[in-house]
Amino acid sequence: KQEVTQIPAALSVPEGENLVLNCSFTDSAIYNLQWFRQDPGKGLTSLLLIQSSQREQTSGRLNASLDKSSGRSTLYIAASQPGDSATYLCAVRPAAAGNKLTFGGGTRVLVKP
Amino acid sequence: SAVISQKPSRDICQRGTSLTIQCQVDSQVTMMFWYRQQPGQSLTLIATANQGSEATYESGFVIDKFPISRPNLTFSTLTVSNMSPEDSSIYLCSASGGGTDTQYFGPGTRLTVL
Repeated sequence: KQEVTQIPAALSVPEGENLVLNCSFTDSAIYNLQWFRQDPGKGLTSLLLIQSSQREQTSGRLNASLDKSSGRSTLYIAASQPGDSATYLCAVRPAAAGNKLTFGGGTRVLVKP
Repeated sequence: SAVISQKPSRDICQRGTSLTIQCQVDSQVTMMFWYRQQPGQSLTLIATANQGSEATYESGFVIDKFPISRPNLTFSTLTVSNMSPEDSSIYLCSASGGGTDTQYFGPGTRLTVL
């Protein structure tokens, strides 16, 4: 059974500092991995999707890497801003389970002005 | 990308009653799902909504408690039946397909059961 872990559970940084969020998964047989952002009481916004054949994806200040063999993904957010404060969730789509996603517990980020 | 709407956005219900949540996608998608997010927790998949047939439920979720319909490619409903306070959660609809692997989520329905 796939298990997804995100460490740390919470992170507080001063504005301008780079953010590094970690995601690990137990079964390397994945189809893709997706990073989401969730604001309090809201739905999920897709940030980046990395296919299993890719090593990284970039969008603006966001960069996500994937090391499938070691079961790890890292989301980097450069030059953090107070508006980046949210919970960040990673989710894996196992290769053999259709489109179902298994989510990590999330990292709650606070960027202090 | 797909834009997903849900109704209602929130509700407060009495124990023993039922609530039906609607999910509408602005484009035809292959897959639709329903997730539950309990307070302070991550997301747990309830079921995959199959067009024109019975939904596929995950372990721990049953059709009598969470009946799901999907009459066409862009619309689905989730009913939370015979509610108890333990059902207080955010319920999220998601969809994927239509040429992309990205899974998109609706804004969620925040349910409080008294």
